[in-house]
Amino acid sequence: AQSVTQPDIHITVSEGASLELRCNYSYGATPYLFWYVQSPGQGLQLLLKYFSGDTLVQGIKGFEAEFKRSQSSFNLRKPSVHWSDAAEYFCAVGAPSGGGADGLTFGKGTHLIIQP
Amino acid sequence: DARVTQTPRHKVTEMGQEVTMRCQPILGHNTVFWYRQTMMQGLELLAYFRNRAPLDDSGMPKDRFSAEMPDATLATLKIQPSEPRDSAVYFCASGLVSTGGEQFFGPGTRLTVL
Repeated sequence: AQSVTQPDIHITVSEGASLELRCNYSYGATPYLFWYVQSPGQGLQLLLKYFSGDTLVQGIKGFEAEFKRSQSSFNLRKPSVHWSDAAEYFCAVGAPSGGGADGLTFGKGTHLIIQP
Repeated sequence: DARVTQTPRHKVTEMGQEVTMRCQPILGHNTVFWYRQTMMQGLELLAYFRNRAPLDDSGMPKDRFSAEMPDATLATLKIQPSEPRDSAVYFCASGLVSTGGEQFFGPGTRLTVL
């Protein structure tokens, strides 16, 4: 069965500093990969996705993620965080057979705290 | 600005009562998902529909949960009878197969079963 691991439950970063959130997945083949963000009391919003091709993908709000097949990882990065980036971040995988359009398996999330 | 709507936003009920949650997907989206979020389990897929037909409901407790799409503009999730362990935030999301994977989430229904 597929699984997603986000090893960091909480991360604290100073405003203006760089950020990397880790995500590892377990899947029989290369799945479709997603990062979502959830602000308090809100639903989830897609930041970026990877299906194939260039392993470095750009998303909204200045985020990017790099797919590394050898490490089964899909880490999220941002060069300089803003206070408004404080939120919960979820990594998710989707079955390749479904073209990325089937139900997703989510990691437990990483809570990002921004220090002034 | 197209968005997924969910009603009610909050629901407090007593154990044993029936609960119905409603979702209006984005117009034109052909896939609708139901997820449940709890502190312990995180986000779990309960069920999803494509073109109103159920594709997968393996994540849903069959004895008390049911999900339907009476028409393309309405999806429902019912719990009967409700139990305290059903307390969670229930999210509906919709998407379009042709765009491959982006799911648009509603704001959720926060359910508390006493």
